[in-house]
Amino acid sequence: DTAVSQTPKYLVTQMGNDKSIKCEQNLGHDTMYWYKQDSKKFLKIMFSYNNKELIINETVPNRFSPKSPDKAHLNLHINSLELGDSAVYFCASSQVGTGAPQYFGPGTRLLVL
Amino acid sequence: DQQVKQNSPSLSVQEGRISILNCDYTNSMFDYFLWYKKYPAEGPTFLISISSIKDKNEDGRFTVFLNKSAKHLSLHIVPSQPGDSAVYFCAASAMYSGGGADGLTFGKGTHLIIQP
Repeated sequence: DTAVSQTPKYLVTQMGNDKSIKCEQNLGHDTMYWYKQDSKKFLKIMFSYNNKELIINETVPNRFSPKSPDKAHLNLHINSLELGDSAVYFCASSQVGTGAPQYFGPGTRLLVL
Repeated sequence: DQQVKQNSPSLSVQEGRISILNCDYTNSMFDYFLWYKKYPAEGPTFLISISSIKDKNEDGRFTVFLNKSAKHLSLHIVPSQPGDSAVYFCAASAMYSGGGADGLTFGKGTHLIIQP
């Protein structure tokens, strides 16, 4: 029974398109996150979100937007895709509070052509 | 500006011996440190964590040591097993001013290879 799931696992698309990645967690966690792992293998936080507030990494372009229909879901929408958006995107969740371990999904491999 | 550094891209250890993975950090506001293990094409898996008020935390074969004055932590795995071959990420967390959790800051990872 998967704790944090993401769809799709692979996404190949053309530059300029708009795409979404879905994330669901069944752990009952309060906070969800999106991370990007770039070609240099760095994992960097993009957003963290609970039902009270959204924290945005200031380096993330506003073409990226998280949308949470409910506590168990945090989807990532990307507008006007660019070549540099090609990366692996990981969703994660945790209980609220610093130090709480984050549990990651399997990742979505995005390739922009 | 890397706030969490793992200076060894790879480490090879014989099965049954101790594996020691190192991590350094620069931000003194970090108050929790975590280690994650990652297999190819999978998400990172949480292994063990330590609060900045402690200097050691142990869980089975895994022990994390924190030297706050040196801003250094290490993960010890003993005995090392073939299934331990993976990339290990060090990560740090700081209390967000609003009281919630901010994202983790990750190191670049160390690829641990356990030799039979």
